[in-house]
Amino acid sequence: DQQVKQNSPSLSVQEGRISILNCDYTNSMFDYFLWYKKYPAEGPTFLISISSIKDKNEDGRFTVFLNKSAKHLSLHIVPSQPGDSAVYFCAATSNTGNQFYFGTGTSLTVIP
Amino acid sequence: DVKVTQSSRYLVKRTGEKVFLECVQDMDHENMFWYRQDPGLGLRLIYFSYDVKMKEKGDIPEGYSVSREKKERFSLILESASTNQTSMYLCASSPAPRDGYTFGSGTRLTVV
Repeated sequence: DQQVKQNSPSLSVQEGRISILNCDYTNSMFDYFLWYKKYPAEGPTFLISISSIKDKNEDGRFTVFLNKSAKHLSLHIVPSQPGDSAVYFCAATSNTGNQFYFGTGTSLTVIP
Repeated sequence: DVKVTQSSRYLVKRTGEKVFLECVQDMDHENMFWYRQDPGLGLRLIYFSYDVKMKEKGDIPEGYSVSREKKERFSLILESASTNQTSMYLCASSPAPRDGYTFGSGTRLTVV
C-alpha cells in the first residue's frame, strides 16, 4: 500500500510562473520529508527537506509547505525555469524508521 | 565530490540469466539501498543494508538477493532474470537512516 502519494503524474507550467507539486501521506508517524529532483538517465538529487516541527522551509526559489493535519506537503518553485523540467519525488520517514518511502513522482515541464 | 557509482548504465540480459548489479560508494556511509523505478510506480525499495553483512527486505524483494561483504559495496543479484524485472535500478547510500540519500546514476536493465 502506497504510504506516500503524488496524485498528479505530470504538470506543465509557463516559464516565470509558479509550479506547485503536491504530495500526500497516510502514515501519521512520518515526521521528516524530502523532495528529490530526477533528470532522465540520472539518479535523483536532493532538493529540500522539512521536519514536522516546521510548516515551511525555503531555499532560494524552492519552498516546501507542510500541513500535518491534512497529511499534505507541497513544493513551490518560483519563478519556474526550463531547467526545472524533471521528475520530482517526495519522500517521508518516521523517527523510528530505517528508510524513506517515496511517492510515484510528478513530471514537471516548464515551457519557455 | 562524494559519489555512488553503479557499474553499468545499460544492461541487456536474457531470461533465466543470473544478473549482478554492482554499487560502490566512497562516503563511508553505513546505509545502502537498492530501488527500482517504474513508470507510475515511483521508487520501490528492494533491499537495504545498514551494516556489512546485514540486509533487510524492502517492499519488493521477491526474485532478488543482495550481498554486502564490504562497507563500500552493495550488490543486487537477480537469481534468474525475468522480463518483469526490466526496469531502472537505483542504488543509494546514506550515513544514517534519517539522512537524505545520495543516489547513483542508475542502471537501465532490459531482460529479453
